[in-house]
Amino acid sequence: QVQLQQSGPGLVKPSQTLSLTCAISGDSVSSNSAVWNWIRQSPSRGLEWLGRTFYRSKWHNDYAVSVKSRITINPDTSKNQFSLQLNSVTPEDTAVYYCARVSIGEGWFDPWGQGALVTVSS
Amino acid sequence: QSVLTQPPSASGTPGQRVTISCSGSSSNIGSNTVNWYQQLPGTAPKLLIYNNNERPSGVPDRFSGSRSGTSASLAISGLQSDDEADYYCAAWDDSLNGYVFGTGTKVTVL
Repeated sequence: QVQLQQSGPGLVKPSQTLSLTCAISGDSVSSNSAVWNWIRQSPSRGLEWLGRTFYRSKWHNDYAVSVKSRITINPDTSKNQFSLQLNSVTPEDTAVYYCARVSIGEGWFDPWGQGALVTVSS
Repeated sequence: QSVLTQPPSASGTPGQRVTISCSGSSSNIGSNTVNWYQQLPGTAPKLLIYNNNERPSGVPDRFSGSRSGTSASLAISGLQSDDEADYYCAAWDDSLNGYVFGTGTKVTVL
């Protein structure tokens, strides 16, 4: 059974970088049959897909247009996890952040991480 | 930011049937499968329906989904108090090259 465990600071100052990690158990970040995603949820923006990373002979990344200039998603094969970095944050980036898996040939998120509230405030 | 439109709320008494709509466009629902998620208070969303109308193991057959054109719907029959939650539709969007979610519907059991 695949499980995702998120970690990272819950408070980030404006203009700084938000960093979160999603540790994977029961699967591999390097799997050729999985795609690893970050999603966030806020009252103002609802559920918003942020981006993904996956390995198909080489690493690939796709990012949402809304955050493309500020986001980086990186795999860490040594720790079997992947991370989210969002630069130059503003209070608008305050949200609950989730990681989630999509399996190859499928289009749905399952499972999800437990979620992490990140507040952007000075 | 949400690209798919859902009614903000729906309600019914125990045992009733409730239907939630999800309206999109040709680039998302019109050309890709729809998935539904249930979010209980204080928890992460959980997969409820995938591929328009399939249920993961453990999801009661009281939950059913359908898709027609650029719209989809989720039906809950035999409504129970445990069904009080927020429900979201989602699909891949070919124009945005990313996933899009619905605005969410809060279901209340009266």
